[in-house]
Amino acid sequence: DAGITQSPRHKVTETGTPVTLRCHQTENHRYMYWYRQDPGHGLRLIHYSYGVKDTDKGEVSDGYSVSRSKTEDFLLTLESATSSQTSVYFCAISGRTSGSFASYEQYFGPGTRLTVT
Amino acid sequence: DQQVKQNSPSLSVQEGRISILNCDYTNSMFDYFLWYKKYPAEGPTFLISISSIKDKNEDGRFTVFLNKSAKHLSLHIVPSQPGDSAVYFCAASVGGSQGNLIFGKGTKLSVKP
Repeated sequence: DAGITQSPRHKVTETGTPVTLRCHQTENHRYMYWYRQDPGHGLRLIHYSYGVKDTDKGEVSDGYSVSRSKTEDFLLTLESATSSQTSVYFCAISGRTSGSFASYEQYFGPGTRLTVT
Repeated sequence: DQQVKQNSPSLSVQEGRISILNCDYTNSMFDYFLWYKKYPAEGPTFLISISSIKDKNEDGRFTVFLNKSAKHLSLHIVPSQPGDSAVYFCAASVGGSQGNLIFGKGTKLSVKP
């Protein structure tokens, strides 16, 4: 299994507070992703990173920001948490290189369950 | 609009029989497809993939079939085992871009002993 950890694994927070979730990898993979999983929606991409300090928005980026100052760490911040951001958040990594179909797979962390009350 | 659709939310199969999970897509630019398995309280686990230049890929008990003209792929599990009980996600990617994956909503497979 790819070396991916997420912290915290569980968090309860109040509406309006900032929250930061951390993803840490030991695989030296270039690409990192943040998804949320909600019933009836599958997995939806929030933000992704294609290198240190290189990030871009995904499908559901509103209310979220990310930062990547080191290859191994990708942080997801909820600037002011809302109840609609109650979800399970997954980080993923990919060692994809251009032109290599075999490396398009993404490998997921164990998830963070976030509850916003 | 959903670009990747898994129209069956659930599937129940007897142990030892074949499980067939289906996935349809609408974007003809997708050229790489993946299946993930997810157990409760765990992250999704990569299972098998196929590129659009193939119509079949096999890995042990798992085979993925791709029908590009119908924009349809399926995952066959033979024989099904109780440990296969999980949620299965289909995902698709457009090569040449960042390769971001678009996921379906998942199908919950239950394999009964």
